[in-house]
Formats: sequence, structure tokens, C-alpha cells
Amino acid sequence: DTGVSQNPRHKITKRGQNVTFRCDPISEHNRLYWYRQTLGQGPEFLTYFQNEAQLEKSRLLSDRFSAERPKGSFSTLEIQRTEQGDSAMYLCASSTGQGTSEQYFGPGTRLTVT
Amino acid sequence: AQSVTQLGSHVSVSEGALVLLRCNYSSSVPPYLFWYVQYPNQGLQLLLKYTSAATLVKGINGFEAEFKKSETSFHLTKPSAHMSDAAEYFCAVSDRGGTNAGKSTFGDGTTLTVKP
Repeated sequence: DTGVSQNPRHKITKRGQNVTFRCDPISEHNRLYWYRQTLGQGPEFLTYFQNEAQLEKSRLLSDRFSAERPKGSFSTLEIQRTEQGDSAMYLCASSTGQGTSEQYFGPGTRLTVT
Repeated sequence: AQSVTQLGSHVSVSEGALVLLRCNYSSSVPPYLFWYVQYPNQGLQLLLKYTSAATLVKGINGFEAEFKKSETSFHLTKPSAHMSDAAEYFCAVSDRGGTNAGKSTFGDGTTLTVKP
């Protein structure tokens, strides 16, 4: 069990640039979640997938944000035209979606927009 | 809608003292409840979870939590704090079933400091 992995771990970008993050869930997990965490706050739900289907998107996910999970395995989160307010830790989690639906979190990608 | 309130954003205890981190939740249906720990620049690690079996739940690293429906609380305790327990702790609630199963709502966290 290799756990949930996220790449890159850190990203520094200039305002207005596009960035893309990748999440590789635990292989047998069919649910994948994205959260955003800012300093001093708990993780806030952004979106989640059941296999390749995106089932829900938070109002936090503006039009500049898009997420995909094309083959029901890894997922990408893209932010277009980044703003300083996008600076945060982006966390990915996966679960089986059954039973207690316990989520397993990756280490996160820390985004800094300058 | 679900919500979680963690009372006290910072808690400081001496090594060997009791740890008590408070969590109150709001949910229209019986929920699942979780406690996670987060070390700096790392993801969240599950400490324990309540899924409707025993109301007193034991987790890793000597932590436990008690589900009290009448008080809508799920406080986290540890009898004797260790320096390695210093971290941020998050309480979370999620639905039991349906399409929202597993989607969690988190509290704002409590930073635990352990003094030597």
C-alpha cells in the first residue's frame, strides 16, 4: 500500500499563471476528494469523484478551477489565471466509498502565488 | 447541513498531563465522526473514528474519544501527553450514506502544545 501521493509538494507561481496538481489515490479506492486548506483553517471541500464521474463541486470552486479524473485513477486539479488568494495547501484524499468511508489523505501541494 | 465546532484554537498542556480537545457537531442525521492529526507540512492522519458501534472509541497513540449524542459532542482525550503529541488536531463529520458519504466537514482545528 503506497498511500495517496501528490505532486508537486510545493509550487510557487506568479499571479496570472496556470498551475496543475496531480493526485494518485490508493489503487483500489474509487472515491477521490480535493480539499483546500488555508492557514489556521480546517480543510474545505472542493470537489469529489466516484471513479471518473465528478459528483459534486463546492461553490469555492470558481470557474478558474477545473478537476479531472479521466480514467478513474489519478486526478488533476488545474487553476487558471492564479490569484494571490489561491495560495493554500491543496489536499487530496481517497476512500472506498463504502462502509465507514474513511478517507486517506495525501501530503498536500502547497501553492504560493506571488 | 453539517458543521463542526472545535472549542479552543490553542491548547497547552504539560508533558504527562491530561489532553482534552473539544469538538461539537451539528448534523441532521446520525453521522460518522473522525479525529485527524496534522504535523507541519504534512497531510492529515486518522486518529480514530466513530461509526455507531461503541460510543467510546480508542485510536492510535493512546487517544480516545467519546460520542455523546445528547451533547452532540465528540471530545478527544489522552491520559498523559507526550512531546510528540504536539500537532494540530481536526475533528470532522461526514454523512453515513448516499452520494455524500465520505465527504467530510472539518472544524478549524486545535493546535496542541506540550510543554516539557
